[in-house]
Amino acid sequence: DAGVIQSPRHEVTEMGQEVTLRCKPISGHNSLFWYRQTMMRGLELLIYFNNNVPIDDSGMPEDRFSAKMPNASFSTLKIQPSEPRDSAVYFCASSLWGGANTEAFFGQGTRLTVV
Amino acid sequence: AQKVTQAQTEISVVEKEDVTLDCVYETRDTTYYLFWYKQPPSGELVFLIRRNSFDEQNEISGRYSWNFQKSTSSFNFTITASQVVDSAVYFCALSEENTGNQFYFGTGTSLTVIP
Repeated sequence: DAGVIQSPRHEVTEMGQEVTLRCKPISGHNSLFWYRQTMMRGLELLIYFNNNVPIDDSGMPEDRFSAKMPNASFSTLKIQPSEPRDSAVYFCASSLWGGANTEAFFGQGTRLTVV
Repeated sequence: AQKVTQAQTEISVVEKEDVTLDCVYETRDTTYYLFWYKQPPSGELVFLIRRNSFDEQNEISGRYSWNFQKSTSSFNFTITASQVVDSAVYFCALSEENTGNQFYFGTGTSLTVIP
């Protein structure tokens, strides 16, 4: 299996622009997670989906952030409008099912820089 | 309150030395799971191990070993005969049966192995 695939790997954008991050989970996995990693806050869970349905989005920082999972093989995280403080590495991860005993497999991340 | 504490922010060792990375967790659940992930300089998060709260057996995998002690709420990770390729940030994480997919990550320990 190719693992979790994220695109783009790097994104540099100007403040105010819309940014869309993409993720393809591992085939057969039912849960998908979006995390953000910064030096100040470490790894933060933004949102997760079970069977394409958003279960917990309490980690989404503001209304500027939105996530969708239109089907089992694709998810997007959108920031509109972007701000410099959104600069971070964004990880997508997937797991086989939604239980606590299931490890998550991470993509390589998207490094976002908002200038 | 921090559910997972990794008190060691940075560690440096000389190649071939043994090194132990500490992880202390906090939970009220009787059923929970502990994980270790490795984040090499390339940036991706690599799953290393999962343990459940009912299995306190220590585990060894090659040069890696894990010591799980419920009495001290610790899940420490030892690398024997460290190698330069072990240089990475290591994260300990907790998930609880009652909160499902929520992974609580520690702040990570940055390990540098000096040749």
